[in-house]
This record gives sequence, structure tokens and C-alpha cells, in this order.
Amino acid sequence: GENVEQHPSTLSVQEGDSAVIKCTYSDSASNYFPWYKQELGKRPQLIIDIRSNVGEKKDQRIAVTLNKTAKHFSLHITETQPEDSAVYFCAATSGTYKYIFGTGTRLKVLA
Amino acid sequence: DAGVIQSPRHEVTEMGQEVTLRCKLISGHNSLFWYRQTMMRGLELLIYFNNNVPIDDSGMPEDRFSAKMPNASFSTLKIQPSEPRDSAVYFCASSLRDAGAIQYFGAGTRLSVL
Repeated sequence: GENVEQHPSTLSVQEGDSAVIKCTYSDSASNYFPWYKQELGKRPQLIIDIRSNVGEKKDQRIAVTLNKTAKHFSLHITETQPEDSAVYFCAATSGTYKYIFGTGTRLKVLA
Repeated sequence: DAGVIQSPRHEVTEMGQEVTLRCKLISGHNSLFWYRQTMMRGLELLIYFNNNVPIDDSGMPEDRFSAKMPNASFSTLKIQPSEPRDSAVYFCASSLRDAGAIQYFGAGTRLSVL
């Protein structure tokens, strides 16, 4: 069945360093890939997304890259700050609009 | 717009009791998703609706769970009877299907079944 694998499950970085989270999807029909950030006790919130006709997208300190051939996509956060500490979820979806979520990455930014 | 609104925010109940969770969609949205989040299983899709019609309920754990959309802006998720293993945070999310599938989450209901 459809599956999204996400790595690593936990990630600790020093403030100011970069963080990279990787996801692999199984359904080749997937065409939309959102990333959500969930702070402790809060709702998941969309931070960036990418569609299958684009290879890379940036928004200030965050960027997402997509490799359709390899069926993987990555989230890059540069110049990390303590407020970036949260759980990050990737997801993939095709025309059904049903999201398949990864298992999440707990990012800790150490001051 | 106030976003997706869920109620109650917290619910504590005893095993065997009926629990009803509520969700109000963002105005104009036509797709509604119910998720359950636990440490062990992560974020699981339980059911989703499009234009008030259930499209995929394969994630509903068992017959004790049921969901409805009595109108275009409101949904309920009912657990009857509740069990301790149902303890989790339940989120609903809504989207405007024609606008590219972005899902907006409510604040969630933290359910504790004792």
C-alpha cells in the first residue's frame, strides 16, 4: 500500500547549524508534498509544500527539494533557531487528496 | 476566518461512556478529515469526507467509531463505548479540494478514557 518513510526520527543540531529531514514515498502517482510543523501541544501547521512539477522551493530559511525519479523529498532548515524545535511531518498525496504522513522527526535546536 | 474549530479541547471520561467530538470546517471548505495522534502510532487518518459524503473510512479502528457530516460545515466523531486505548489527541482538518489540497488542522481534542 501507500507508504511514506521519514528519517531521522530525532535530530539535534546546534543553533545556527542546518537541519535536513528526508522522506521517501511509494506511490508514483503522488503529486503534492506538504511539510507540517507541530509544536508541543499544538496543531500541525503547514510550513512549506511542493508540487510534482517543481524540483525545489524556498521560503526564507526553509526549503524543500523533490526528486521524482528517486521518489524522495527533503526539508532543509538553515540558520536554525531555538523556535525551530518541534516535530516535523512530511506527507504525500495524489489526486485522492488523502495525505499519507511520515512518522515525524523531533528536531531539537540546542542554544 | 477563525479556522477549523474543534470542541471540546479536553475530554476525560470513564470506560464504557459515549464520547462525541465536534468539528466546524473553515467556511467554504468541502473536504473534512479526522485524524488520531498517539506516540505509538503517530498521525493516523480515520476517515475523510468530500461534499458531506464519506470517501474513505478504512482507518476507522472498529465499529465503536462513527463519523457524520450532518451539513457542509460541521462534523462529529463518536466513540461508543469508549475504551482506555482510545485515549489520544483527535484532530480534524479541512480543505478546499479544488484549491490544491492544503489541509488546515483544528487545535485538537485531547481524550482521556479512564
